[in-house]
Amino acid sequence: SQQGEEDPQALSIQEGENATMNCSYKTSINNLQWYRQNSGRGLVHLILIRSNEREKHSGRLRVTLDTSKKSSSLLITASRAADTASYFCATDNTDKLIFGTGTRLQVFP
Amino acid sequence: DAGVIQSPRHEVTEMGQEVTLRCKPISGHNSLFWYRQTMMRGLELLIYFNNNVPIDDSGMPEDRFSAKMPNASFSTLKIQPSEPRDSAVYFCASRTLAGQETQYFGPGTRLLVL
Repeated sequence: SQQGEEDPQALSIQEGENATMNCSYKTSINNLQWYRQNSGRGLVHLILIRSNEREKHSGRLRVTLDTSKKSSSLLITASRAADTASYFCATDNTDKLIFGTGTRLQVFP
Repeated sequence: DAGVIQSPRHEVTEMGQEVTLRCKPISGHNSLFWYRQTMMRGLELLIYFNNNVPIDDSGMPEDRFSAKMPNASFSTLKIQPSEPRDSAVYFCASRTLAGQETQYFGPGTRLLVL
């Protein structure tokens, strides 16, 4: 399977703390994307980082990409209870996305 | 825009019955994807279309599954006959082909096969 692996599988933190999720993948990529899924809902795109980029920011989100290690990380700063969701990385090397296994983030008020 | 629309949102059926899931992509999007999500296997790509043409159906589990896209605004995923192991949430997503990599997901259809 080309599916990526995410680490940790689950993460519980307090509001205000930072949350870091990691993603490893197996093939070469054009870009890597992060998506969020609230319970019972569809996935929502958060951020995209291209293979020639190393770091990208969007609001409280910071994504890094290390193509030599085939890995990426998503950092959510100053977390809020509303950030509680599952987060998935997805790699894009053709027309299609290959999704990772996801990290379940629980943020306690 | 209403976003990607899927119907039905929930489907409960008995083993052996035919199930048809429907998807309306975002207007102007010319690439459409069908995914299946289960606890055991995560999110799997089943098939995708570019300009209504199936490009890659290697993720379709077996011949019981079929998908069509008769026009740019409608796609179906059919399971015939259905089996309990087909129980999952099925998502449709769409995007433009030219220069936009982001996929927009529908709310999903939760299928339970008894």
